[in-house]
Amino acid sequence: QSALTQPPSASGSPGQSVTISCTGTSSDVGGYNYVSWYQQHPGKAPKLMLYEVSKRPSGVPDRFFGSKSDNTASLTVSGLQAEDEADYYCSSYAGGNNYLVFGGGTKLTVL
Amino acid sequence: QITLKESGPTLVKPTQTLTLTCTFSGFSLSTNGMAVGWIRQPPGKALEWLALIYWDDVKSYSPSLKSRLTITKDTTKNQVVLTMTNMDPVDTATYYCAHRPVGAPAYFAHWGQGTLVAVSS
Repeated sequence: QSALTQPPSASGSPGQSVTISCTGTSSDVGGYNYVSWYQQHPGKAPKLMLYEVSKRPSGVPDRFFGSKSDNTASLTVSGLQAEDEADYYCSSYAGGNNYLVFGGGTKLTVL
Repeated sequence: QITLKESGPTLVKPTQTLTLTCTFSGFSLSTNGMAVGWIRQPPGKALEWLALIYWDDVKSYSPSLKSRLTITKDTTKNQVVLTMTNMDPVDTATYYCAHRPVGAPAYFAHWGQGTLVAVSS
């Protein structure tokens, strides 16, 4: 069982927006602004999409937006495109000895 | 350009020790603030952080696996090695190494392609 809770699936039609949640505790998501999101296509390595809640690495489209409220972080993908179909994982710094925890992943389907 | 590549056995027997090597380029692990980590992913399951080694040789391990893991670095060879003892079939997974940039509190900006390790007799 993963430390962070994500919905197993999400879906949307091309052009629509979809939001994926990531719920933790005050010891991880709620305690630090160090939430990251990774995109993983089948058979591929994860790709960093957002870090420190809402910052985008170079090359990531601004259609990907991150936010956080209390113990829940969210990833919103707007203007859905076919290539956005993938698994998405959130992660958070957890302090102390438990450096990093991941969510269980959400499979995003573009209908 | 930063690249990382994992190498090691594709099959290990239960109770054996797994040794994986991460060979990287495009950065130096002797640079202040740099770190390299290991993450694994069982087939069809979620990512799990395993270990992290910093430029100053400080190490951090997943609490649940700490007793079985050792992470080391060879700065001259641009390599990081992860050993995991007492392997079990539940340890079957794709193992990734990843680069944590300088000043990055808790994220991995670059990942290797991963290496699938099966544990079976």
